[in-house]
Amino acid sequence: AQKVTQAQTEISVVEKEDVTLDCVYETRDTTYYLFWYKQPPSGELVFLIRRNSFDEQNEISGRYSWNFQKSTSSFNFTITASQVVDSAVYFCALSPHSTGANSKLTFGKGITLSVRP
Amino acid sequence: EAQVTQNPRYLITVTGKKLTVTCSQNMNHEYMSWYRQDPGLGLRQIYYSMNVEVTDKGDVPEGYKVSRKEKRNFPLILESPSPNQTSLYFCASSFPGAQETQYFGPGTRLLVL
Repeated sequence: AQKVTQAQTEISVVEKEDVTLDCVYETRDTTYYLFWYKQPPSGELVFLIRRNSFDEQNEISGRYSWNFQKSTSSFNFTITASQVVDSAVYFCALSPHSTGANSKLTFGKGITLSVRP
Repeated sequence: EAQVTQNPRYLITVTGKKLTVTCSQNMNHEYMSWYRQDPGLGLRQIYYSMNVEVTDKGDVPEGYKVSRKEKRNFPLILESPSPNQTSLYFCASSFPGAQETQYFGPGTRLLVL
């Protein structure tokens, strides 16, 4: 069975600090996909990134960066120079290839990030 | 604008009173799914549908029904709601395949008294 663990439940930082959100996953599949979603206080789920298990290159998008390490089954998310608008719940999710046509996402429990001015 | 819509956004009801939460998408996605979000549990899949008239159970299907008569719509039905179904519900849609990004509706917050 697949599993996503987000060990941090709540993180609080001061604006402009860097913060890393950890994600560790378990799957027996050799091919799988990892996702990060953001849930701001308004409640909607916003897609941030998708990563293919074949591609271990790190990715940077503005202040966001992702570090995928297959050897440690981790897909960590770093926000550089955090801002108050980054305050949200962040979910890591796994979509194993073995589900075939069922694109079921297995979610972690989420990390609540609070960025104080 | 490409989107997934859900109605109602907020609902307060009483135990046993049947209700339907609608979900509609305009992206011609074959795949649609319902999740529920509960504090400390993340999101869990309730039901999914690969296409019209094709539905199957997710991880927590008890107490729910779905139908997929049209490609764009995937309503969630609670025949006899109970307080343990108080939750935040999300509908999602995508093209089929584990690699596809799922796009979520805005959520429906349900309170069952």
